Amino acid sequence: QLQLQESGPGLVKPSETLSLTCTVSGDSMTNNNYYWGWIRQPPGKGLEWIGSVYTGGSTYYNPSLKSRVTISVDTSKNQFSLELTSVTAADTAVYFCDFWSGFHITWGQGTLVTVSS
Amino acid sequence: DIQMTQSPSSLSASVGDRVTITCRASQSISHYLNWYQQKPGNAPKLLIHGASRLQSGVSSRFSGSGSGTDFTLTISSLQPEDFATYFCHQTYSTPFFTFGPGTKVDIK
Repeated sequence: QLQLQESGPGLVKPSETLSLTCTVSGDSMTNNNYYWGWIRQPPGKGLEWIGSVYTGGSTYYNPSLKSRVTISVDTSKNQFSLELTSVTAADTAVYFCDFWSGFHITWGQGTLVTVSS
Repeated sequence: DIQMTQSPSSLSASVGDRVTITCRASQSISHYLNWYQQKPGNAPKLLIHGASRLQSGVSSRFSGSGSGTDFTLTISSLQPEDFATYFCHQTYSTPFFTFGPGTKVDIK
C-alpha cells in the first residue's frame, strides 16, 4: 500500500521560495500511473488544489498559482517535489502531498509551512 | 474552472440527529463527486466516492446522493465521532480538482 510523507522547512521568509518534498513508500512510482500532487489548507480554511504531475512527467497547475508553481518528479528517489516562489503570508498553510489513483485522493499527513520574517 | 459551494457552512446538532449537507457544482459533473470528513490536525478521510458509493470501512450511517450539479451527504444518526468538517470534491475535471468550502458540524 502506497504511503506518502512530506518534508521540508516549516518556516519560509516572505519573497523566498517554498520547497517541499514528498517521499513515496510501499511501491515504486513507476509501477503506478497516477497523478502525484499537492493540496494546501490555510489555517481554519478550506482545501486548495495546487497542482499535479503525472507519472509520465506531464504537469497540471491551478491557474491561480501557475505563475509561481513547479512540481517535479524524481522516480530514482521515489519522490516528487513542490516549489512555490515569491511567497507571502497568504501562502501560510498545511501542505498535503497526494496521489489520485482513479476514484479518490490518498493523502500524506500534511506539513505546516509558515511564511514569516 | 468548476466552482463548488456547500450549505450550510456550519451547523449544530445533537447525537442521534439526522444531518444533511448539500454541495452544488457550477456545471454538471455527472456523478464525479467525493465526500471527505476532516478532524483537526488530520488529513481528510474519504467517506463517499462516485456521489453515492460508500468507501470500504465507513459506517453505513453515511450516505450520498445526487448527480449533475446537486449532491447531498446524509448522516442518518449523528454519533460523537462524527463532529468534524465535511468537504465535497469534484473529480470530473481530473486532475484540475476543486473542493467545496466545507461544512463544520459541531455539538448543539
